[in-house]
Amino acid sequence: DTAVSQTPKYLVTQMGNDKSIKCEQNLGHDTMYWYKQDSKKFLKIMFSYNNKELIINETVPNRFSPKSPDKAHLNLHINSLELGDSAVYFCASSRGGNSPLHFGNGTRLTVT
Amino acid sequence: GENVEQHPSTLSVQEGDSAVIKCTYSDSASNYFPWYKQELGKRPQLIIDIRSNVGEKKDQRIAVTLNKTAKHFSLHITETQPEDSAVYFCAARNTGNQFYFGTGTSLTVIP
Repeated sequence: DTAVSQTPKYLVTQMGNDKSIKCEQNLGHDTMYWYKQDSKKFLKIMFSYNNKELIINETVPNRFSPKSPDKAHLNLHINSLELGDSAVYFCASSRGGNSPLHFGNGTRLTVT
Repeated sequence: GENVEQHPSTLSVQEGDSAVIKCTYSDSASNYFPWYKQELGKRPQLIIDIRSNVGEKKDQRIAVTLNKTAKHFSLHITETQPEDSAVYFCAARNTGNQFYFGTGTSLTVIP
């Protein structure tokens, strides 16, 4: 059973399009996250969300928006895609407190 | 937010030697420090973690040390093996439950 699952695994699209990446966790965790890993392998936090609070990293363009239909899901919507959005996007979850992040397998987004 | 620095960015060691990766953090309120290993094309996976009330933790060939006063923590891998080759990330969790990652260390273990 995959604890944190995200779809699709690969996403190739053209500039200007709008796309979504889905994420689901079956760990019962309270907090979910989205991270961007660029070509230099840097892991940058984009959002963290629990049922009380959404925290947005100030460097994230407002073309990116998280949507959480329930505690187990945190989807990522991206509008007007740009070449620089090409990266691997990881969803993650955490129980909170001194507990680690559990990552999904990543979505490789390529914008042409 | 938190700022985590990690050194070195690349590290090559002979099989059987030790490898040390060092990280510093800026937010003195950060209280949890996990380390992740990421193999090529895969997700980061937790290998060891340490809480702020502990100075050292060991799990077989892997150990982590934490100096809260200096705000730095280190990963030590002994008796390295080729399968240890990967990118390693340190991270710090702040009081807002956000995890900030170092820039990664690409470790190569030469057989």
